[in-house]
Amino acid sequence: QKEVEQNSGPLSVPEGAIASLNCTYSDRGSQSFFWYRQYSGKSPELIMSIYSNGDKEDGRFTAQLNKASQYVSLLIRDSQPSDSATYLCAVKGSGTASKLTFGTGTRLQVTL
Amino acid sequence: NAGVTQTPKFRILKIGQSMTLQCTQDMNHNYMYWYRQDPGMGLKLIYYSVGAGITDKGEVPNGYNVSRSTTEDFPLRLELAAPSQTSVYFCASNPPDTRGVNEQFFGPGTRLTVL
Repeated sequence: QKEVEQNSGPLSVPEGAIASLNCTYSDRGSQSFFWYRQYSGKSPELIMSIYSNGDKEDGRFTAQLNKASQYVSLLIRDSQPSDSATYLCAVKGSGTASKLTFGTGTRLQVTL
Repeated sequence: NAGVTQTPKFRILKIGQSMTLQCTQDMNHNYMYWYRQDPGMGLKLIYYSVGAGITDKGEVPNGYNVSRSTTEDFPLRLELAAPSQTSVYFCASNPPDTRGVNEQFFGPGTRLTVL
């Protein structure tokens, strides 16, 4: 059973702080890693993807991947109240059909 | 482009009834997926399709059926609805992998309650 694990939270950070969200996965053959943001009652939307070890930055978001440790994280700098949402980690394992395995998500609350 | 559309948005079923959740995408994507999301949980893959005429089971297929007669449409059929099928159902699609790139585009979801 391929698993993706996240702390369900809630993770509470003050406005302007850095939010750090973490994800571990079990399938060593996993190739691609994604972070989706999901607002309450809405569908998931992709905010970051990462394929190689190291960091990938996009605006206030940085994704970090360590395949040896089977660990991927998302940092959100200068957190805003609009960042309050559930963040889903998704992993594309070895194999075909682009199937993703999702974690249960971490709920982030950015407080004023 | 409308992207991925789903109908209905909400539905209440009685135990034992059946229904079809509709999903259509206008992006000419080969790959399509059906997920369910229970409260406070992640997405569980029900069925997926890599092209017209080809479907396969995901993680939680029991109680569901799918068909894929065209590239655009991927309906999900519930037979003999049970309370355990109360959930939010999302349809998603993406084009074939390009160097591992795999952004799945999601529809708005169907909220189903079985009483």
